[in-house]
Amino acid sequence: AQSVSQHNHHVILSEAASLELGCNYSYGGTVNLFWYVQYPGQHLQLLLKYFSGDPLVKGIKGFEAEFIKSKFSFNLRKPSVQWSDTAEYFCAVKWRSGGGADGLTFGKGTHLIIQP
Amino acid sequence: DGGITQSPKYLFRKEGQNVTLSCEQNLNHDAMYWYRQDPGQGLRLIYYSQIVNDFQKGDIAEGYSVSREKKESFPLTVTSAQKNPTAFYLCASTTYSGANVLTFGAGSRLTVL
Repeated sequence: AQSVSQHNHHVILSEAASLELGCNYSYGGTVNLFWYVQYPGQHLQLLLKYFSGDPLVKGIKGFEAEFIKSKFSFNLRKPSVQWSDTAEYFCAVKWRSGGGADGLTFGKGTHLIIQP
Repeated sequence: DGGITQSPKYLFRKEGQNVTLSCEQNLNHDAMYWYRQDPGQGLRLIYYSQIVNDFQKGDIAEGYSVSREKKESFPLTVTSAQKNPTAFYLCASTTYSGANVLTFGAGSRLTVL
């Protein structure tokens, strides 16, 4: 079965530190890649996405992610985190070979805590 | 404002009772989904529906049932056959041209006592 792995389940950083959250997915052909964020008490919302083209994509709130095809990775980065970045982050993948609208496969999530 | 409305937000039920969670969208989206979120488990797909009167099982469909009688509505029933029903349930939707960008509701938290 196709799978998505997020390396860190809990990350604690101080404000202004740099952030990198790892995401790897299993081989299965062409993919669409996503990062979603769930702030405390809020809806799950899209942070950024990659479909094709430039492998470095920028999202909301200063986040970016890089697609490295040879490593099956789509790591999320932010140069300087803020207290308001405290949230749960989910990597998600859609393998295009699956066809149709059969949903995304999500990683287990990374709970990020930013200390003031 | 367009969006997805899930109700109820919190639900408590006794073991052995069926419960139905509501999901309504006014986004005119074609496809709708139900995910289950558990701590440390991420989101797992329960059921999805691409068109009215049609739906497909996801990865963890056992103990759940759905219907799609209207484009805007996709209710989920958690039956007594679901062995571990206490969880956070998320409904989502997308258009066929949306390239799988899902819009999520606020979720329903079910606790079985």
